Parts: sequence; structure tokens; C-alpha cells
Amino acid sequence: DIQMTQSPSSLSASVGDRVIITCRASLSISRYLNWYQQKPGKAPKLLIYAASTLQSGVPLRFSGSGSGTDFTLTISSLQPEDFATYYCQQSYSMHPPTFGGGTKVEIK
Amino acid sequence: EVQLLESGGGLVEPGGSLRLSCVASGFTFSSYAMNWVRQAPGKGLEWVSDISGDGDSTYYADSVKGRFTISRDNSKNTMYLQINSLRAEDTAVYYCAKSDRFGISSAGTKFDSWGQGTLVTVSS
Repeated sequence: DIQMTQSPSSLSASVGDRVIITCRASLSISRYLNWYQQKPGKAPKLLIYAASTLQSGVPLRFSGSGSGTDFTLTISSLQPEDFATYYCQQSYSMHPPTFGGGTKVEIK
Repeated sequence: EVQLLESGGGLVEPGGSLRLSCVASGFTFSSYAMNWVRQAPGKGLEWVSDISGDGDSTYYADSVKGRFTISRDNSKNTMYLQINSLRAEDTAVYYCAKSDRFGISSAGTKFDSWGQGTLVTVSS
């Protein structure tokens, strides 16, 4: 199975901050990388697919980049509604499609 | 609007069984593969199983193979997960998630809609 490693596992940031979350795959996955946002007690929500394509309705302050084994999710100016846990997921090998361990973004 | 509604969770003793359901609306159900993804309390996301749009192809995580069975009834817009021989480590919220395509083995598949989840607790 392809292992996905996210860092950091948690971070504290203020409204307006630029936040960067990284995700590393255990082998090259081209650009087959998705990002999800999960708020407490809620279902995950697709944010970005194919490493950098924003899902419909997702604010432009979210962006994704990377290819091969290293990827980043950037929030350009953190908003109150962005405090959540973020997961990367590789879709290069769908059986199984593996998730990173998550990055919890908390209020400083 | 896509809606996915899971049900069937509950408290069950180790070794017991449950059948989870996911009722879909707002899209042509038979045209899309579906998935079960679980999340243990305070933990991350773990993919469990998927099924193609016509139900002919299925896959399972190694952790549940032989104990869980995924199925779907396209006439009822419903997906199921039969879970047997439950263990404490199966305790989790189980989410159904819609794939963005019919098949289940294509690279690039994304889970574009999720249900609210149903909690399965395995305890004596």
C-alpha cells in the first residue's frame, strides 16, 4: 500500500495567516492527490483534486501544488471557517486509496 | 443536490453483526461507484470498501476482507455494508462516499460527496 505522511499533525494559526500543509507519498503518485476538509462532527468535504484543481464552490484562498511524492495545501489567508482537520488522499492506486494522518488547524 | 444518508449503526457485542445502509438521492445512482470509509474515534480516515456502479466489481481493505460484504440495490438507490464477526477495532463512524465515476479501479478517482456517517460501537 502507498503510505501518505502529512506534516505537521497540528498547527496553531491566526485569522489572516498563510497556512501550508505538506503531504508526502511513499512512492511517486504523479498528480493523483486529493485534499479533504473535515470539521468536528461533520463528514469530510472534497477541496482539491488532481493535486491542484479546486472542487466547485471551494474558495480561491485554497490552493494545491506538487507532483511525484511531495504535495502542499496552502490557505492564503486563514478564515474562521477554515479551522478544521485536513486530509490528503492518494488516488494513484485505488486499492486501497490511502489517506494521510490529518493536519488539525487550530486557532492561536 | 446530492444527498447520502447512512443508517444501521449501533452498539453490538464482539462477534456480532450489523447491516449498514446508505440511501442516495440527487444523482443517477447506478452511474457511480460508491464507497464505505470509516473513522475510529479521534483517528483518521480509513477506506473500507467500494463497489462499481452496476455492482459487479467490489474491493475490500485487508482489515475487513472476509468479514464485510458490500452490495447495492440500484432500484432502491441504496448501498449496503454487511459487517460480521465484529471486533473492538471496528468501532468507528462509517461514512458512505460517492465516487466521481462508474468504475472502481481508475486512477484519479475522487470522493466528491459524503454522508453524515453512522456510528458502530463494538463492546461487551
